[in-house]
Amino acid sequence: NAGVTQTPKFRVLKTGQSMTLLCAQDMNHEYMYWYRQDPGMGLRLIHYSVGEGTTAKGEVPDGYNVSRLKKQNFLLGLESAAPSQTSVYFCASSLYRGATPGQETQYFGPGTRLLVL
Amino acid sequence: GQNIDQPTEMTATEGAIVQINCTYQTSGFNGLFWYQQHAGEAPTFLSYNVLDGLEEKGRFSSFLSRSKGYSYLLLKELQMKDSASYLCAVRDGGGATNKLIFGTGTLLAVQP
Repeated sequence: NAGVTQTPKFRVLKTGQSMTLLCAQDMNHEYMYWYRQDPGMGLRLIHYSVGEGTTAKGEVPDGYNVSRLKKQNFLLGLESAAPSQTSVYFCASSLYRGATPGQETQYFGPGTRLLVL
Repeated sequence: GQNIDQPTEMTATEGAIVQINCTYQTSGFNGLFWYQQHAGEAPTFLSYNVLDGLEEKGRFSSFLSRSKGYSYLLLKELQMKDSASYLCAVRDGGGATNKLIFGTGTLLAVQP
């Protein structure tokens, strides 16, 4: 049981390049999320999904797209990277309903460190 | 608007007790989570409160007052490994999305 995994762990891009970040979870969770974490800003929600085939915008969606074709995978795409997208990206997943509310906590992947030059 | 406030940094001594406060003003409320995040790692779940009062889990306790929009995380018998950031997060009360709104985190340094 690997939990939540993210690939790649680290990437350097040039301005204007594109890339896709992959998140996978093996806990059969319905909900999945993409965050970015910047110094002094905390975790900010980019996009999220409440089930296979569904996606929705979070707090900071501009410049990013997502897809959830399979329940276990959630992809984050950057079509034309900008230096402002230099950040640490975390994926998370959670149950829709747990036996106790505490079980509805979000489980986080190890993060992807992205540097855009 | 949505606002969650935590102190930016705190310092405490090994073996002591430290209290990390969190105040929130959000449009909805459906529970409050505390996470621990070591440098360079992912956040991990510590505790959850949805009703007023104290929840205890070993050396960690969390308190909630919904009427005051206030929570705290209490760490007892501090150990060096407790040096980390502590994130307060409020679960969005609207809809069935389980979305969380995070504070900026409190960086705790435990000194010998």
